[in-house]
Amino acid sequence: DTGVSQNPRHKITKRGQNVTFRCDPISEHNRLYWYRQTLGQGPEFLTYFQNEAQLEKSRLLSDRFSAERPKGSFSTLEIQRTEQGDSAMYLCASRGRTGNTEAFFGQGTRLTVV
Amino acid sequence: DQQVKQNSPSLSVQEGRISILNCDYTNSMFDYFLWYKKYPAEGPTFLISISSIKDKNEDGRFTVFLNKSAKHLSLHIVPSQPGDSAVYFCAASPLRNNDMRFGAGTRLTVKP
Repeated sequence: DTGVSQNPRHKITKRGQNVTFRCDPISEHNRLYWYRQTLGQGPEFLTYFQNEAQLEKSRLLSDRFSAERPKGSFSTLEIQRTEQGDSAMYLCASRGRTGNTEAFFGQGTRLTVV
Repeated sequence: DQQVKQNSPSLSVQEGRISILNCDYTNSMFDYFLWYKKYPAEGPTFLISISSIKDKNEDGRFTVFLNKSAKHLSLHIVPSQPGDSAVYFCAASPLRNNDMRFGAGTRLTVKP
């Protein structure tokens, strides 16, 4: 296992289209996070999974955003009816099973909505 | 609400000197703090962390200091090297929840 993997690395879409991103965490990690990062800002928390359960969602996550982790392994983040303001880097991170440990990030998916 | 703040967007230091990056937080429930380094077009990579039961953690050239009463932490890099040039993010995590909150980052430039 080489770390957290995100696909695609880049996505260009027209406004109004739906997009889906995938994250494959480190295999033994049961905690998975999605973040969004825009230019000049730090990663903004979107949502958190422990195994297959989505335990927390940010207010930033509007109704157009949905995330799943159906089998407690990979996760998907879908954005429906994309808007130009959705253009950002979407980062996934995973973290070990218990306690205070570091989170490992994927390389991100760069979304551009035109 | 910005619970983790990095008030210096950029820092420039000479190679061989010390780099000091600062971070402030507002949530007293945070008890684990991390520093990440980010190069362009890559995800953040973990650098060093500290638990609230400590006030210092050292790893090679990197040392993180935590002042709980001031809700302040800092990352010291000594000696600084040109390869350290990157954006550095401070993050904090509370014990009971598992989310991590990030600051806006500080861009460090180390000049040869």
